[in-house]
Amino acid sequence: DQQVKQNSPSLSVQEGRISILNCDYTNSMFDYFLWYKKYPAEGPTFLISISSIKDKNEDGRFTVFLNKSAKHLSLHIVPSQPGDSAVYFCAASRRDYGGSQGNLIFGKGTKLSVKP
Amino acid sequence: ETGVTQTPRHLVMGMTNKKSLKCEQHLGHNAMYWYKQSAKKPLELMFVYNFKEQTENNSVPSRFSPECPNSSHLFLHLHTLQPEDSALYLCASSQAALAGVLHHEQFFGPGTRLTVL
Repeated sequence: DQQVKQNSPSLSVQEGRISILNCDYTNSMFDYFLWYKKYPAEGPTFLISISSIKDKNEDGRFTVFLNKSAKHLSLHIVPSQPGDSAVYFCAASRRDYGGSQGNLIFGKGTKLSVKP
Repeated sequence: ETGVTQTPRHLVMGMTNKKSLKCEQHLGHNAMYWYKQSAKKPLELMFVYNFKEQTENNSVPSRFSPECPNSSHLFLHLHTLQPEDSALYLCASSQAALAGVLHHEQFFGPGTRLTVL
């Protein structure tokens, strides 16, 4: 059973508009969330993260929102640029003192296409 | 070289072959990871090493055998693989989780695209 879900496999947005990528999780023990971006033929690169003690984290054009009660997070990209076209992965980590602390659970990814 | 490197980038092997994937990180990290990414599936964690000690084996079949000789190098030895093992294998590194600081971003290599015939 998937613990981290990205229900939209793809998203197409016009350049300059907002891109909103969504992610849902099922495990209430998760307390740290990350977004990664992946271009073809490259490994995922870290984009932005948020701790469960916050509900928003902003870094330039990228903002992540966390709604713990809904077990939902989203990544907003404003304004979207053609270079943002990539696959975006949501990942979650849980506080587990049994040795797996920090291990990441990934969603399947959402392919974002930003059209000029 | 900077970041996390992986060799080879592409590998085609038969089911009776033995091959190894190599990963090297130049970031001074103490934790290294192997992930598998199959088509239309999320990245699946396979193995975790913290300070050269294996701390996680995510129910991976024994035909995959990891080796971590030091904090900078990680290998994945492959033997008698099946066609369903064809996937992108990604290596990552991070600072090791320590008491009080449990979360660190992981840095990924470009991956090895493995095809098993």
